[in-house]
Amino acid sequence: EVQLVQSGAEVKKPGESLRISCKGSGYTFTTHWIAWVRQMPGKGLEWMGIIYPGDSDVRYGPSFQGQVTISADKSISTTYLQWNNLRASDTAMYYCARAPQGRDWNWYFDLWGRGTLVTVSS
Amino acid sequence: QLVVTQSPSASASLGASVTLTCTLSSGHSSNTIVWHQQPPEKGPRFLMKVHSDGSHKKGDGIPLRFSGSSSGAERYLTISSLQSEDEADYYCQTWGTGITLFGGGTKLTVL
Repeated sequence: EVQLVQSGAEVKKPGESLRISCKGSGYTFTTHWIAWVRQMPGKGLEWMGIIYPGDSDVRYGPSFQGQVTISADKSISTTYLQWNNLRASDTAMYYCARAPQGRDWNWYFDLWGRGTLVTVSS
Repeated sequence: QLVVTQSPSASASLGASVTLTCTLSSGHSSNTIVWHQQPPEKGPRFLMKVHSDGSHKKGDGIPLRFSGSSSGAERYLTISSLQSEDEADYYCQTWGTGITLFGGGTKLTVL
């Protein structure tokens, strides 16, 4: 089955670090861009950034550059989203999503993970 | 600047049809878009890709009553024979070189 499986919900305190994951299966992991998308409570979808696991080329959305780090380990078909200094405003659902096969700029998403809820509270 | 705009809400009766609109910003009227559906308390699901010529290609398992079309800078999602499970948020998405973005979403209520 073609799927993206995300890590479980997290509860953290402000200032803490966190890394969440997204594992792809059922397709060639290295030939599809994987994106991270934020959805704050009651709000819409926001593109955070995207990585091409084949060569770890990473691009960030304008609002997220310097705020998070996206990485991938192609040996285990997994991408990561990391924070070094969480804030209460990072409380949100985070989705990973796959773009169609190819190294080009066709950055639309044809497969979604189920989401990871991150709660940051003192 | 590339922007996509959606109406915040729409409603239609059970069994009726509804058309949702996604409007591309000036200078980007030839962009292709995709539609995603997000039911309450669930993650998004890819519905279809809609081109500027009105052609569309749906994702696997998307029912026939979902269709897409275009006119100028507008891209449409039409849902016919509305069912209760169609009540959801619908997002359009477009992309360019080094960027991708979503519309603000339309909340569809099935009456």
